[in-house]
Amino acid sequence: GENVEQHPSTLSVQEGDSAVIKCTYSDSASNYFPWYKQELGKRPQLIIDIRSNVGEKKDQRIAVTLNKTAKHFSLHITETQPEDSAVYFCAASNTDKLIFGTGTRLQVFP
Amino acid sequence: KAGVTQTPRYLIKTRGQQVTLSCSPISGHRSVSWYQQTPGQGLQFLFEYFSETQRNKGNFPGRFSGRQFSNSRSEMNVSTLELGDSALYLCASSFGTPQFAGELFFGEGSRLTVL
Repeated sequence: GENVEQHPSTLSVQEGDSAVIKCTYSDSASNYFPWYKQELGKRPQLIIDIRSNVGEKKDQRIAVTLNKTAKHFSLHITETQPEDSAVYFCAASNTDKLIFGTGTRLQVFP
Repeated sequence: KAGVTQTPRYLIKTRGQQVTLSCSPISGHRSVSWYQQTPGQGLQFLFEYFSETQRNKGNFPGRFSGRQFSNSRSEMNVSTLELGDSALYLCASSFGTPQFAGELFFGEGSRLTVL
């Protein structure tokens, strides 16, 4: 079945720096790749997603890139702010289920 | 519009007992997915229901089961509880399949502690 690996598990950056989180997926049929943000004690919420017919998507300070050949996708956060501190989950879907990575805890220090 | 509602929010059980968790999706959403969240393991897929039918199941033992009612509300049941079942159980709803409907809307979760 589908497997999604996510790295790193923790990431600490200084405010204003960029942060990059990487994921790889196993099922080449996967065609939908969302990213969810979970703040401490809160529910996961979608922040950006990309479909397999697109290589890159941007939304203000966040962007996602997809390399279908290598079966990996990445989340890029620029000009990080303390409120970006959270756990970020990547996910992949090829049918009726969404399989998540193990999460990356991002800490942004002022 | 009301969000996804999960009950109970917290519960404590002992080994060997069984538990039933409930999830009310956003009005109009027909797909309900369940996930187990534990530190270090992320969000592990349990199962997904659509129109009262289980369409997909994750790699969990048969002690984990679920169902969906005609009003799209869903329940999951865990029998013969084990210490390792302690986790946050998250329910998420959407209009349809993730690849076509996109965003999953999560509930706040039911935190289960097994003693």
